Amino acid sequence: RKEVEQDPGPFNVPEGATVAFNCTYSNSASQSFFWYRQDCRKEPKLLMSVYSSGNEDGRFTAQLNRASQYISLLIRDSKLSDSATYLCVVFRPEGFQKLVFGTGTRLLVSP
Amino acid sequence: DTEVTQTPKHLVMGMTNKKSLKCEQHMGHRAMYWYKQKAKKPPELMFVYSYEKLSINESVPSRFSPECPNSSLLNLHLHALQPEDSALYLCASSQGRQVGNYEQYFGPGTRLTVT
Repeated sequence: RKEVEQDPGPFNVPEGATVAFNCTYSNSASQSFFWYRQDCRKEPKLLMSVYSSGNEDGRFTAQLNRASQYISLLIRDSKLSDSATYLCVVFRPEGFQKLVFGTGTRLLVSP
Repeated sequence: DTEVTQTPKHLVMGMTNKKSLKCEQHMGHRAMYWYKQKAKKPPELMFVYSYEKLSINESVPSRFSPECPNSSLLNLHLHALQPEDSALYLCASSQGRQVGNYEQYFGPGTRLTVT
């Protein structure tokens, strides 16, 4: 089982739609969680950190469910510019500490 | 605008060449990282420097050699690479390596092609 798992997509949605991405992680000791977005042939950019209480940044809402080891990202009112790959990232705090990246979910927003 | 810069943006090198990738961060961060990313794959960690000391070195071939001259600079020296080393090489930095300050910020990357 992969340490961080995401649906690879692609998710094809029209402008204005609401779309949700899910991610599961296997290491129950994980403590820090992030969503990054990556445009084609560009670097990953931090979208938001994910906190236990959930957090919102404009059209983006992230939720964390520690009991189910599940992270979500909700995008409301999708824009064409939201088209990208969204990477779920988890900090592995034990042993070899590092960020563990999911393989990403591709989003395509069409006019 | 990214506060992590990388040079060069593109690099083509032969298998016998020696070249270096450079990274600089302007955020006062004390941890810096090199990642390798192949197409349609997530980034893979190669090296970590924390407070200018190589704290973890994954099982990366010796043809890759990192160097951290100071807390804001990071180099990756390349020698005798193979075609399968062609990839996007990303530099990142973070405030530290403890839980709570682990948000990493990436530079734009160097796209390396080995011929």
